[in-house]
Amino acid sequence: AQTVTQSQPEMSVQEAETVTLSCTYDTSESDYYLFWYKQPPSRQMILVIRQEAYKQQNATENRFSVNFQKAAKSFSLKISDSQLGDAAMYFCAYTGWETSGSRLTFGEGTQLTVNP
Amino acid sequence: KAGVTQTPRYLIKTRGQQVTLSCSPISGHRSVSWYQQTPGQGLQFLFEYFSETQRNKGNFPGRFSGRQFSNSRSEMNVSTLELGDSALYLCASSWGGGNQPQHFGDGTRLSIL
Repeated sequence: AQTVTQSQPEMSVQEAETVTLSCTYDTSESDYYLFWYKQPPSRQMILVIRQEAYKQQNATENRFSVNFQKAAKSFSLKISDSQLGDAAMYFCAYTGWETSGSRLTFGEGTQLTVNP
Repeated sequence: KAGVTQTPRYLIKTRGQQVTLSCSPISGHRSVSWYQQTPGQGLQFLFEYFSETQRNKGNFPGRFSGRQFSNSRSEMNVSTLELGDSALYLCASSWGGGNQPQHFGDGTRLSIL
């Protein structure tokens, strides 16, 4: 079974600085997708960024980028120029093309605080 | 384009009752997935429906069931409610492929007294 682990229950960052959230996963599948979702207090899960495992290039979306290390099964999220609106719970998620369909396996989450 | 709509937003029930939650996906999306979110267990996958068929199922007891209608709207039913069923229930929709990002609703907060 696939597992996703986020070892940082809480992180904090100063506004305008950079922070990196860690995620590791375990799978025997060769083709899969990884995602970072953000859940603010409003509860709605919002997709931040996604990475296809077959792509070697790290995904980027404006201030958000990932460091995808396939051999190490590591998938960290870097937030640059942090803003107050980035404060939220961040979840790393996995889905495998062969066995999971649209099923997402989530990590435990990291609560990010942004200090003014 | 309207997002994923879940109703109701809040629900209070007592043990032994049953409950039905509703999810309307984004127009055109054929896959609807349900997740349970609790402080202790985190986010857990319940099931996924695609074109009215259950395509994937998590490790939940048979008290948890669902269905999908021809317009892709989905309902989730929980029978014989237990205190441990108190949770935020999230619905997500997508076009259906694993590589497709899932779009989540605001969730239904279910409290069991």
